[in-house]
Amino acid sequence: GAVVSQHPSRVICKSGTSVKIECRSLDFQATTMFWYRQFPKQSLMLMATSNEGSKATYEQGVEKDKFLINHASLTLSTLTVTSAHPEDSSFYICSASQAGLGGAFFGQGTRLTVV
Amino acid sequence: LAKTTQPISMDSYEGQEVNITCSHNNIATNDYITWYQQFPSQGPRFIIQGYKTKVTNEVASLFIPADRKSSTLSLPRVSLSDTAVYYCLVGGVDSSYKLIFGSGTRLLVRP
Repeated sequence: GAVVSQHPSRVICKSGTSVKIECRSLDFQATTMFWYRQFPKQSLMLMATSNEGSKATYEQGVEKDKFLINHASLTLSTLTVTSAHPEDSSFYICSASQAGLGGAFFGQGTRLTVV
Repeated sequence: LAKTTQPISMDSYEGQEVNITCSHNNIATNDYITWYQQFPSQGPRFIIQGYKTKVTNEVASLFIPADRKSSTLSLPRVSLSDTAVYYCLVGGVDSSYKLIFGSGTRLLVRP
């Protein structure tokens, strides 16, 4: 079945530094990838949608200069959290889809802790 | 984008059948219904998808009435490992459709 791999699964960084999270579709070409964040005991919140080769579309309230998304190829999208602060600590999850695939498939998630 | 409504939580016992119903009153003609399962600190896992009537796979069944304003995920003979949050989502199946998550249903399976 469709596999989406996310890396790293867990990262701790210092306040003020930047962190990059990778999302790869391993066995299909993902024309669209989505990034979510999830706080404890809450549902997933969509942050942005990215299509290969074009700029990401951010949801209302999500700072595009803080959460940089790059979807340079059909199998890779990256989310960079710039100048991270403790309030950015969260569980970040990507998903990937392809027309006709019959659904979107999710990565394992990345637990970001900013200290 | 169609909004979904599910029970916040459900309790069951091992070996029982569990049915989780989701309401999506303003579902669009080209929307499909997809259910995901999520364990703590993991990404959601695809369970099943359907458009109308009934769909069955090796882990679940999905029942969709003719008006498509609701759907029911049926888990046969649940085990402790089925304790998780279950999300119902609606959307088109072209690659650009956004998946907006509702609150989900937290299922607790007791021994």
